[in-house]
Amino acid sequence: AQSVTQPDIHITVSEGASLELRCNYSYGATPYLFWYVQSPGQGLQLLLKYFSGDTLVQGIKGFEAEFKRSQSSFNLRKPSVHWSDAAEYFCAVGAFNNAGNMLTFGGGTRLMVKP
Amino acid sequence: DAGITQSPRHKVTETGTPVTLRCHQTENHRYMYWYRQDPGHGLRLIHYSYGVKDTDKGEVSDGYSVSRSKTEDFLLTLESATSSQTSVYFCAIRGGTAGFNEQFFGPGTRLTVL
Repeated sequence: AQSVTQPDIHITVSEGASLELRCNYSYGATPYLFWYVQSPGQGLQLLLKYFSGDTLVQGIKGFEAEFKRSQSSFNLRKPSVHWSDAAEYFCAVGAFNNAGNMLTFGGGTRLMVKP
Repeated sequence: DAGITQSPRHKVTETGTPVTLRCHQTENHRYMYWYRQDPGHGLRLIHYSYGVKDTDKGEVSDGYSVSRSKTEDFLLTLESATSSQTSVYFCAIRGGTAGFNEQFFGPGTRLTVL
């Protein structure tokens, strides 16, 4: 069975600083990988996804993520954080089963942004 | 906007009472999912549906049942609510028609069981 680990529960960065959120996955085949963001009191919004091809994927809001098979990682990055990026971020791995596409989520990383 | 609504958005109930949460979609998607979100656990799958009257269990299905009598509605029922079921519940649909596709989430229902 697949699993996802987000080692950092909380991260605080200063506005304008760069950001990297870590995600490690366990899955026996080529993974489908996702990053979602959840603002307070809101649902989850898809930031980006990796299915195949170029291992560096671009997403919305200036985010990017790099798939590294050798490290089983899919870290999320942003070169300059804005105060509005404060939210909780979830990494997920997807797999097929006999009745659909299943997502397994990590525990989340809460990002705080200092002015 | 994937056209997903959830009702109610907030509910407080007492232990032992039945509770039904509703997920409604407007875009005729085949696959629908119910998750619960708890601190430190991310989202965990409760049940999912792959068509009308076709449902299956997820990772944390004990104490929950679901029904899907119409494409647009997916109901989650707690037959006898317990305090451990206090959580935020999210419904999701799978986008696209073939292959692997991302899921789109509703706004959530915050349930408190006293």
